[in-house]
Amino acid sequence: NAGVTQTPKFRVLKTGQSMTLLCAQDMNHEYMYWYRQDPGMGLRLIHYSVGEGTTAKGEVPDGYNVSRLKKQNFLLGLESAAPSQTSVYFCASSQGLNQPQHFGDGTRLSIL
Amino acid sequence: AQSVTQPDIHITVSEGASLELRCNYSYGATPYLFWYVQSPGQGLQLLLKYFSGDTLVQGIKGFEAEFKRSQSSFNLRKPSVHWSDAAEYFCAVGANRGSTLGRLYFGRGTQLTVWP
Repeated sequence: NAGVTQTPKFRVLKTGQSMTLLCAQDMNHEYMYWYRQDPGMGLRLIHYSVGEGTTAKGEVPDGYNVSRLKKQNFLLGLESAAPSQTSVYFCASSQGLNQPQHFGDGTRLSIL
Repeated sequence: AQSVTQPDIHITVSEGASLELRCNYSYGATPYLFWYVQSPGQGLQLLLKYFSGDTLVQGIKGFEAEFKRSQSSFNLRKPSVHWSDAAEYFCAVGANRGSTLGRLYFGRGTQLTVWP
């Protein structure tokens, strides 16, 4: 029962570097989400997708891009990493809108 | 826009004591409501959800929550806390209409410490 798998689990970047976080789900869910979690802030939605080939902005989309080329995968990209993007990133998926979301274990990203 | 307030940042209870975690939401219609739990280094796990119907909902691990429309609240309760319940708890509200349909808004979380 893999559920939602995030890769990598940890990463350290230098300011200005780029990277892509991968999220894969094996539940055939239509909807996928990227959140960031910062101390005392709860989870904030970055981008989400309501189906293959579609993406939409969440609360804090600036500095991030996403792609959903395959139904099971949702990629989060940082084109030019900034220290303010140091955070724990969570991917989630759900069967439908407002159905319970299933979360991955997170990616801890530090930007120096 | 929707919002969620969890007034208690940190709560400490003794093992075996009862627990209530508070959650207040702001939304113009009947929302979808969720409680999630997060253990250190882990993702979020769904405890329970409210969509409609009976305002008292049962979840996993012996938790329950009551939706009170008049108070815009969805408080989480457990009659007897176990040491393994120590974790961070998040309340979330989802919109069922409008431009934010399908998005979840999370509270800032309540950290629960359980004393033996």
